[in-house]
Amino acid sequence: EAQVTQNPRYLITVTGKKLTVTCSQNMNHEYMSWYRQDPGLGLRQIYYSMNVEATDKGDVPEGYKVSRKEKRNFPLILESPSPNQTSLYFCASSFHPLQGVHEQYFGPGTRLTVT
Amino acid sequence: GQSLEQPSEVTAVEGAIVQINCTYQTSGFYGLSWYQQHDGGAPTFLSYNALDGLEETGRFSSFLSRSDSYGYLLLQELQMKDSASYFCADQAAGNKLTFGGGTRVLVKP
Repeated sequence: EAQVTQNPRYLITVTGKKLTVTCSQNMNHEYMSWYRQDPGLGLRQIYYSMNVEATDKGDVPEGYKVSRKEKRNFPLILESPSPNQTSLYFCASSFHPLQGVHEQYFGPGTRLTVT
Repeated sequence: GQSLEQPSEVTAVEGAIVQINCTYQTSGFYGLSWYQQHDGGAPTFLSYNALDGLEETGRFSSFLSRSDSYGYLLLQELQMKDSASYFCADQAAGNKLTFGGGTRVLVKP
């Protein structure tokens, strides 16, 4: 089954404790992206990647890191989480936009609470 | 920069037609996408318009006017299962994707 998986689905952590949210897709997509969703603000892009070893900042990259060492995986790293990073996080993937295919497939989401 | 504006909420009855407007201000605009998100779920892709005009997919249609920096999603023959949030999103030249704030559609019997 074609899908995007994220782990963990739910996480409660404390300020300053490094954490990683994993994202994996099995559709051989070039483009992968991370979003955070907060009430009233829609989805805001954190980072995106056009292919392996090619990452770029979205609209809200501060406090986050990403890496793309393999095509299927795109982990999101919070080196020192703070309470303002409490949010619902989505990973998404698609074929390269320049191929004319724009459908993004979203993972199920990770609800993060930082106390 | 990029910004997209859409109404925050729309209420309609089953069987009705709802139009969700989206205006954008985007440098290097490529096209406009629409996504549906049910409460507790992930966004799912509905449509994409790169050229002016209407794209029809079943009960849902999407329209784009590049000269007016405007698009809309048309939901016809509304059903209860259409109660959800709907987001417009644009993809700029740098491949950044920006979403509007979302429109919550409430369908009443």
